[in-house]
Amino acid sequence: GENVEQHPSTLSVQEGDSAVIKCTYSDSASNYFPWYKQELGKRPQLIIDIRSNVGEKKDQRIAVTLNKTAKHFSLHITETQPEDSAVYFCAASRGSTNAGKSTFGDGTTLTVKP
Amino acid sequence: EAQVTQNPRYLITVTGKKLTVTCSQNMNHEYMSWYRQDPGLGLRQIYYSMNVEVTDKGDVPEGYKVSRKEKRNFPLILESPSPNQTSLYFCASNPGGPLFDQPQHFGDGTRLSIL
Repeated sequence: GENVEQHPSTLSVQEGDSAVIKCTYSDSASNYFPWYKQELGKRPQLIIDIRSNVGEKKDQRIAVTLNKTAKHFSLHITETQPEDSAVYFCAASRGSTNAGKSTFGDGTTLTVKP
Repeated sequence: EAQVTQNPRYLITVTGKKLTVTCSQNMNHEYMSWYRQDPGLGLRQIYYSMNVEVTDKGDVPEGYKVSRKEKRNFPLILESPSPNQTSLYFCASNPGGPLFDQPQHFGDGTRLSIL
């Protein structure tokens, strides 16, 4: 089955710096790669996603890149702010055969120091 | 308001006492799923359903049952709960479709403690 590895598990940055979180996946048939943000005591919420026919996607301070050949994708947050502090999860899922199975990374706890 | 609703939000119970966690969505989504979240282990998929009467095992299905008799509801059943099922549980849904490339909408979570 799919295996998703996420690094680092914790990340501390100074306000205004950039943060990068990386994930690798094992199933070459995976075609959808969302990133979720989970604040303390809250539910995970989508912040950005990318599909396998796209290499990069950007939404204001947040961007995601996908390298299908190497089977890895990354989340980039620029100009970090204290409210970016949260746990971030990557995930991989696939359509067609075994559609419906979603595998999440173990999460990255991001702390942005004012 | 589009939402996924789980009940109860918190439950403390004892080993062996059957319990059901309900999940309902009002978005007419085909796909629904259950996850458990444990510290350092991310979200692990328990069961999922691509449509009514269609359910499949995720990565950690042991000790759980589900049913999908109608589109909006996807209850999680613990027939004989044990302490290792103490966890935070999330229900999620998305529109489904052949590419399965849509984000999931999560409920607010249910914190279960099995003593």
